[in-house]
Amino acid sequence: DVKVTQSSRYLVKRTGEKVFLECVQDMDHENMFWYRQDPGLGLRLIYFSYDVKMKEKGDIPEGYSVSREKKERFSLILESASTNQTSMYLCASSFPRAIYSNQPQHFGDGTRLSIL
Amino acid sequence: DQQVKQNSPSLSVQEGRISILNCDYTNSMFDYFLWYKKYPAEGPTFLISISSIKDKNEDGRFTVFLNKSAKHLSLHIVPSQPGDSAVYFCAAQLPPNDMRFGAGTRLTVKP
Repeated sequence: DVKVTQSSRYLVKRTGEKVFLECVQDMDHENMFWYRQDPGLGLRLIYFSYDVKMKEKGDIPEGYSVSREKKERFSLILESASTNQTSMYLCASSFPRAIYSNQPQHFGDGTRLSIL
Repeated sequence: DQQVKQNSPSLSVQEGRISILNCDYTNSMFDYFLWYKKYPAEGPTFLISISSIKDKNEDGRFTVFLNKSAKHLSLHIVPSQPGDSAVYFCAAQLPPNDMRFGAGTRLTVKP
């Protein structure tokens, strides 16, 4: 069974802090994704990575960066946290479609981040 | 620009009856559609999918229908059970990896 683990379930930080959200998957997936979930907006893609050290911007990358130094780990970084980044953050992973077509993404349980 | 829309934020049905969740999309380049189910305090879990070359896919109590001309898909759950109560997200994928999600529909199945 695929396991995507996010390091924290709940996190409270202050405005201006640098925040790190960690995600680890155990299925040797090439693709990894970071989303945020907000009421009425569904899941919006922040960044994704299709290989180690590779990254692509999603729909809402502003204020965020990512790091993928190892295949199993994908980190989301809030460079200087702001109150509008209070949200539920979800990490996901999958095989690439080029190799295994129509591969669904597997999600972690999320990190609820509050910026005060 | 929300390319995937779930216009009903909530749906309530009686146990044993059919649940129908709807989803509309705007981009005709989407070639793969999925439904995810999310319980509180958990991440979304994959439920069922359909390729754009098909119009129906069935898996037990769950059936997804795709109407490409209307850019509409629906998820049917028959019979509905209280354990099906969750938020359901519709998703559509642009090749190779770009996936767009709807806002979700909260389904409540009453005993």
